[in-house]
Amino acid sequence: DADVTQTPRNRITKTGKRIMLECSQTKGHDRMYWYRQDPGLGLRLIYYSFDVKDINKGEISDGYSVSRQAQAKFSLSLESAIPNQTALYFCATSELARGQETQYFGPGTRLLVL
Amino acid sequence: KNEVEQSPQNLTAQEGEFITINCSYSVGISALHWLQQHPGGGIVSLFMLSSGKKKHGRLIATINIQEKHSSLHITASHPRDSAVYICAVNPLYGGSQGNLIFGKGTKLSVKP
Repeated sequence: DADVTQTPRNRITKTGKRIMLECSQTKGHDRMYWYRQDPGLGLRLIYYSFDVKDINKGEISDGYSVSRQAQAKFSLSLESAIPNQTALYFCATSELARGQETQYFGPGTRLLVL
Repeated sequence: KNEVEQSPQNLTAQEGEFITINCSYSVGISALHWLQQHPGGGIVSLFMLSSGKKKHGRLIATINIQEKHSSLHITASHPRDSAVYICAVNPLYGGSQGNLIFGKGTKLSVKP
């Protein structure tokens, strides 16, 4: 079984709809992240959480919100989806050791907003 | 100016060729990562470096901290190496310790 899972894997929605992307991990890591990837722009950080009571905005948090329901779960919500939120979304987890970390990525969610 | 720059953006090689992908960064870092993204979209971590050189199979990663530069080498390239290779760094500044800054990736295509 995959250590980091994302649901759904693909989603088509309409402008104005509220949607939630879910991420679960079995690695026991405290740190979790949500990124989006757009062609030619690379990965950009939306939100991150270093433990259950910690939520931090990333580079491009406008239009998004998150919920860290448990150590293992980190959800990303689009309150009112718009077409420029069409992208590939990745969840990741990490563990900080000796000042360094390796991030483990989920398989990604392809979102299309019409 | 991007804090992490990769070159080339696109690379096409013939099977068996030696490949080099470069990454330059402009911030102080605690570590540099090389990631591989397959055509299906999944991302895996290849290397994490803070100094010197690491080798795993046909992949070699080097870093020069003074020059703020890293290279990823692939020896005896194979079509299955076709992927996007992403460089990312852990910056030393700011309160978000551990966050990564990503390059835009290098798309490698190895032809049989």
